[in-house]
Amino acid sequence: AQKVTQAQTEISVVEKEDVTLDCVYETRDTTYYLFWYKQPPSGELVFLIRRNSFDEQNEISGRYSWNFQKSTSSFNFTITASQVVDSAVYFCALGVTSGTYKYIFGTGTRLKVLA
Amino acid sequence: NAGVTQTPKFRILKIGQSMTLQCTQDMNHNYMYWYRQDPGMGLKLIYYSVGAGITDKGEVPNGYNVSRSTTEDFPLRLELAAPSQTSVYFCASSYSQDRGHGYTFGSGTRLTVV
Repeated sequence: AQKVTQAQTEISVVEKEDVTLDCVYETRDTTYYLFWYKQPPSGELVFLIRRNSFDEQNEISGRYSWNFQKSTSSFNFTITASQVVDSAVYFCALGVTSGTYKYIFGTGTRLKVLA
Repeated sequence: NAGVTQTPKFRILKIGQSMTLQCTQDMNHNYMYWYRQDPGMGLKLIYYSVGAGITDKGEVPNGYNVSRSTTEDFPLRLELAAPSQTSVYFCASSYSQDRGHGYTFGSGTRLTVV
């Protein structure tokens, strides 16, 4: 089965705290891609990062970092020193083919950063 | 650089009415998709297209139809609106079938069926 699980429905943190959003995926594909998207209150979906299944290097972009571990099928997202502008719903997605090219999205994690 | 443009942004329909959600992209992307987002849920694929004249069903196609007469446009048609179709609809496009390419999403259409 192809599946993405974001077990955290909602997280609230105080500004400047670090926060990690969890993403666990399932796939039988040996080649696949993982994504994170941000959906701010305005509603649009913003692409944050892409990682392929052969590259387990962690990535850092400013205050954002991603930890990809194939052994645990996880692709977690950490925001360091969170800011109010980080408040959004964050979606993890899995890119597979399995006969139909599509992405499988998790149900999202709503992050609230309080001033 | 418009990217993916969806119209309208909001719409209220009565049960049984029909409407077309418009989606157009100016990036010459071959691949286009329609997703719906229900509250507290992830995005579910309704239909997708791999090029002009070619469309296929996704996970939740019932109650919808699509067409792709040009590369740029991928309209989604609701023939007999039902309350279960109340959702936010996103159109997206991508450059290729390479699973590594992320989508470019439109800003969404919030549809309410009453």
